[in-house]
Amino acid sequence: GDSVTQMEGPVTLSEEAFLTINCTYTATGYPSLFWYVQYPGEGLQLLLKATKADDKGSNKGFEATYRKETTSFHLEKGSVQVSDSAVYFCALSVRGGSQGNLIFGKGTKLSVKP
Amino acid sequence: NAGVTQTPKFRILKIGQSMTLQCAQDMNHNYMYWYRQDPGMGLKLIYYSVGAGITDKGEVPNGYNVSRSTTEDFPLRLELAAPSQTSVYFCASSYRGLDYGYTFGSGTRLTVV
Repeated sequence: GDSVTQMEGPVTLSEEAFLTINCTYTATGYPSLFWYVQYPGEGLQLLLKATKADDKGSNKGFEATYRKETTSFHLEKGSVQVSDSAVYFCALSVRGGSQGNLIFGKGTKLSVKP
Repeated sequence: NAGVTQTPKFRILKIGQSMTLQCAQDMNHNYMYWYRQDPGMGLKLIYYSVGAGITDKGEVPNGYNVSRSTTEDFPLRLELAAPSQTSVYFCASSYRGLDYGYTFGSGTRLTVV
């Protein structure tokens, strides 16, 4: 079935380091892809999305490109800040039935040290 | 602009007790969802609704019930609580479904002892 696989964390980086969080997916059809971020004690927030192959989603310095040939949607940021410390979830949309569903990866915890 | 409001934030239940987790949104979203998040795991869909009076099961509906009598409210009912229902519960809403992104509440942390 449809699934999302994220790199396991936790990931610990120093401030201003380059970030990559890998995400690959398995899906039938043509899903949309998302990254959500969860700050401590809060709910998830949509960070960025891409709805078709080769689309690049971007927000707050984060980017991810929908790669159909490698079934990937890796999250990148050129220079992380302490405030980026959070759990990041990759997700894909599944179409079917009356509404469909979002399938989430297990999440990757990022800690950024000053 | 409150977004999605969940109450309570924390609750401890004894095995066999029942409770209702409340969820309300003020964005006039038609679509609403309940997820549970277990430690080290992603989110699993419990129930969802595409509009008032319409609900449907998600991936893990057993032990839960929902109702949607208004656009704003989507309560989740736990009957006969079990330790396996210890989790963090998130309610979410969306304007038109998947591609428009979801707005999440801040969650309810439930412990069943």
